[in-house]
Amino acid sequence: GENVEQHPSTLSVQEGDSAVIKCTYSDSASNYFPWYKQELGKGPQLIIDIRSNVGEKKDQRIAVTLNKTAKHFSLHITETQPEDSAVYFCAASGRFGNEKLTFGTGTRLTIIP
Amino acid sequence: GAVVSQHPSWVICKSGTSVKIECRSLDFQATTMFWYRQFPKQSLMLMATSNEGSKATYEQGVEKDKFLINHASLTLSTLTVTSAHPEDSSFYICSARDHRGTETQYFGPGTRLLVL
Repeated sequence: GENVEQHPSTLSVQEGDSAVIKCTYSDSASNYFPWYKQELGKGPQLIIDIRSNVGEKKDQRIAVTLNKTAKHFSLHITETQPEDSAVYFCAASGRFGNEKLTFGTGTRLTIIP
Repeated sequence: GAVVSQHPSWVICKSGTSVKIECRSLDFQATTMFWYRQFPKQSLMLMATSNEGSKATYEQGVEKDKFLINHASLTLSTLTVTSAHPEDSSFYICSARDHRGTETQYFGPGTRLLVL
C-alpha cells in the first residue's frame, strides 16, 4: 500500500517569512495530492490540492509543487501570518474509484509574531 | 459549498454503552463517505469506506462488529461504536466525496468521544 512521509514534524517561522513542508510517497500510481490544515479540536480543512498532470499550483499565499519522478511534493506558504499556525497534513490517493487517502504524519507550524 | 457536518460534536458515555455519530453532507450528495479516527497529536487513520446502499469496507484491524457503519442515503452516514470501552475514546472524523466531482474529500468537524 501507499506510504507517505512528511517532514518536518514541527516548524517555527517568524511572521512574514516563508514556510515549506515536504512529503514523499511510495506508490507511483498515486495521482492526487491534497494538503489539509487542522486547527486544534477541529476537522481537517482542504487548503490546496494538486493532480499528477500538473507540476505546480498556486492560490494566493499558498503553493504546492509536485515532482512525480522523485515522488515528492511540497507545500509553500509565503508571508506567513499568526493565523497560519496549525497542524498541516499532506496526503496521497489513487485515481477516481480508488480515493482512499493516505496521510502523512503532520507538521505543527507555529508562526512567531 | 462542500460542507460536511457531524453530530454530536462531543459525547461522554459509560463503558458498555453504544454511541451513534452522524455525518451529513449539507450541500452536495455523497456516494462515498469515509470514517477516520485520530488520537492526540497523531495523524488520521482510515477506519472504513462507506458507500451509499452497500456494505462498508473496513480497514485491516478495524472490527466491523464493533464499529457499525450505515450509509442509507446520499447525504447521511452513521458510525455506531458498540459496547464502547475507554480505549475507544478518540476523535472521530468523517469525510465525504461529491458524487459529481473528483477525488476531493471534504471533512466534518469531528466528534470527540470519551468513554468512562
